[in-house]
Amino acid sequence: GAGVSQTPSNKVTEKGKYVELRCDPISGHTALYWYRQSLGQGPEFLIYFQGTGAADDSGLPNDRFFAVRPEGSVSTLKIQRTERGDSAVYLCASSLTNTGGRTDTQYFGPGTRLTVL
Amino acid sequence: AQKITQTQPGMFVQEKEAVTLDCTYDTSDPSYGLFWYKQPSSGEMIFLIYQGSYDQQNATEGRYSLNFQKARKSANLVISASQLGDSAMYFCAMREGSKGGNQFYFGTGTSLTVIP
Repeated sequence: GAGVSQTPSNKVTEKGKYVELRCDPISGHTALYWYRQSLGQGPEFLIYFQGTGAADDSGLPNDRFFAVRPEGSVSTLKIQRTERGDSAVYLCASSLTNTGGRTDTQYFGPGTRLTVL
Repeated sequence: AQKITQTQPGMFVQEKEAVTLDCTYDTSDPSYGLFWYKQPSSGEMIFLIYQGSYDQQNATEGRYSLNFQKARKSANLVISASQLGDSAMYFCAMREGSKGGNQFYFGTGTSLTVIP
């Protein structure tokens, strides 16, 4: 079956602009996660959705970052007034469950490389 | 304290040899899951293997096995019969809690290079 997909694969924008990054999780996966990965680092948690609600947004760096998942499937990460420091790869992952155990395994999309000039 | 520590920034292995990638973790939760991911230069994170804290046996998935030493809080990945396609970044991750947690904690990764 289809894996997690993310669009666009690359996004170049200017400082101060608004961007939206899209994630389409694996069908049937109720949990969805956003991560940010800087060069040479492991993924850093941003936000987690269980269904339509953001169950944990403690990783969002500031109020310029926001994410939605209105129908419990596709999610959009929104960044306002982008800054050069926002440049990174944004990864989306989904999992079947979030209750402990192997089925919590997160499957990742290919990522969106965001470059803020 | 770091939740996940990977102390080997880079490793080299001869093709067809075995290699061990180290991972130690820090948690006071008795229930947790440990995961290894591979990230090739293309960027996608590929799930390799899972070990639950209550699992009695070490996990194995094909050429991958996890050397789980609970008392030492280590979860080293062993790759047997290395192939050129194994060259990639490898990340260890942990999920805490019997009710699941909200995030994975990732290490900083180990870059593996397989030499022909």
